[in-house]
Amino acid sequence: DGGITQSPKYLFRKEGQNVTLSCEQNLNHDAMYWYRQDPGQGLRLIYYSQIVNDFQKGDIAEGYSVSREKKESFPLTVTSAQKNPTAFYLCASSLLDRSASQHFGDGTRLSIL
Amino acid sequence: ELKVEQNPLFLSMQEGKNYTIYCNYSTTSDRLYWYRQDPGKSLESLFVLLSNGAVKQEGRLMASLDTKARLSTLHITAAVHDLSATYFCAVDSRGSTLGRLYFGRGTQLTVWP
Repeated sequence: DGGITQSPKYLFRKEGQNVTLSCEQNLNHDAMYWYRQDPGQGLRLIYYSQIVNDFQKGDIAEGYSVSREKKESFPLTVTSAQKNPTAFYLCASSLLDRSASQHFGDGTRLSIL
Repeated sequence: ELKVEQNPLFLSMQEGKNYTIYCNYSTTSDRLYWYRQDPGKSLESLFVLLSNGAVKQEGRLMASLDTKARLSTLHITAAVHDLSATYFCAVDSRGSTLGRLYFGRGTQLTVWP
């Protein structure tokens, strides 16, 4: 079955540490996205990518970095510069077509130790 | 920046009752998406509305789009407990990068017996 796989499901970060969240899709979608969700809030866009080796900052990119070396993969690194990383992180993908909805992974919950 | 406002943010309703969730947005768009999220889970696509006057129905939920009023509604008919979840609307601005969505804060719906 096609879908989006995020791992790990839960992640703990020590102060000063960088951590990387994995996102893989086998839907053959061109576009991939990373969102952050805080309790009682909507989704805020961190980074997005429409094509391999290219990505753009979203609304809250500071303290995060991404790469898009393969169409299927869009990992997100939460750097030590992100002072408040505790949140639920959702990866999504879509066709580059405004009639297509975004498909979401099951999310990674990141907490600070 | 495009702003998306949902109301109400919290909705508690009795089984069998009807209610409407509203989604207003601040700029021109003819693409609107509704998603459902269960607690601790990912987002599930419910409806994609692609033009002014579009109406989609699935079971007890019906969504509509009025692009002139910049308003979408999600109407719940004869609510049942299984509809308890958080519902998000998301807008694709005509002026934005293809595929980039702006989300509302969500409406947390609780249906009680």
